[in-house]
Amino acid sequence: NAGVTQTPKFQVLKTGQSMTLQCAQDMNHNSMYWYRQDPGMGLRLIYYSASEGTTDKGEVPNGYNVSRLNKREFSLRLESAAPSQTSVYFCASAPSGANQPQHFGDGTRLSIL
Amino acid sequence: KQEVTQIPAALSVPEGENLVLNCSFTDSAIYNLQWFRQDPGKGLTSLLLIQSSQREQTSGRLNASLDKSSGRSTLYIAASQPGDSATYLCADLVQGGKLIFGQGTELSVKP
Repeated sequence: NAGVTQTPKFQVLKTGQSMTLQCAQDMNHNSMYWYRQDPGMGLRLIYYSASEGTTDKGEVPNGYNVSRLNKREFSLRLESAAPSQTSVYFCASAPSGANQPQHFGDGTRLSIL
Repeated sequence: KQEVTQIPAALSVPEGENLVLNCSFTDSAIYNLQWFRQDPGKGLTSLLLIQSSQREQTSGRLNASLDKSSGRSTLYIAASQPGDSATYLCADLVQGGKLIFGQGTELSVKP
């Protein structure tokens, strides 16, 4: 059971470069999420998609864009990477309904020089 | 601003001890409170989810409680084992389907 798969696992970028982080889930979940995790800050929501075709901003959306390509895939794009975006990025998915736990991928570790 | 706070930030105990991790939240209008486990270099694994109408949930050696009136949740781990060593995070689900996370408690269980 793959669950939530994120690619790549590691990436180093230079300031100003662009990149897309990929996420795919095989659990037929409607909702998908992108978080970033920074030391001392916990996980913070960047964007989420409650269903295919919809996306909404989370707590820290600036500098990012997302695409819900289909029900399985939800990508996160950095158009012009900045050192402040160095972080570990997690994708998660969940079924519809408020009382369903989110399932997380193993993360993408991104460093921006 | 909605906030979730976890105390302590780190905890070290000998194997076999019972322990309690604490979580407090500012938004009383939560939909649920969730506890996760995170191993180094890995994603989060859901442990327990307590709906806003519930007071506690149990899974094996884990028991989580929820007190909305005081804005607190606890995670009780019985008979701790070295394999329980990980970071434990709590999060509350608020309006808009958003999870607000605490910063986590790093637990180390010594053999």
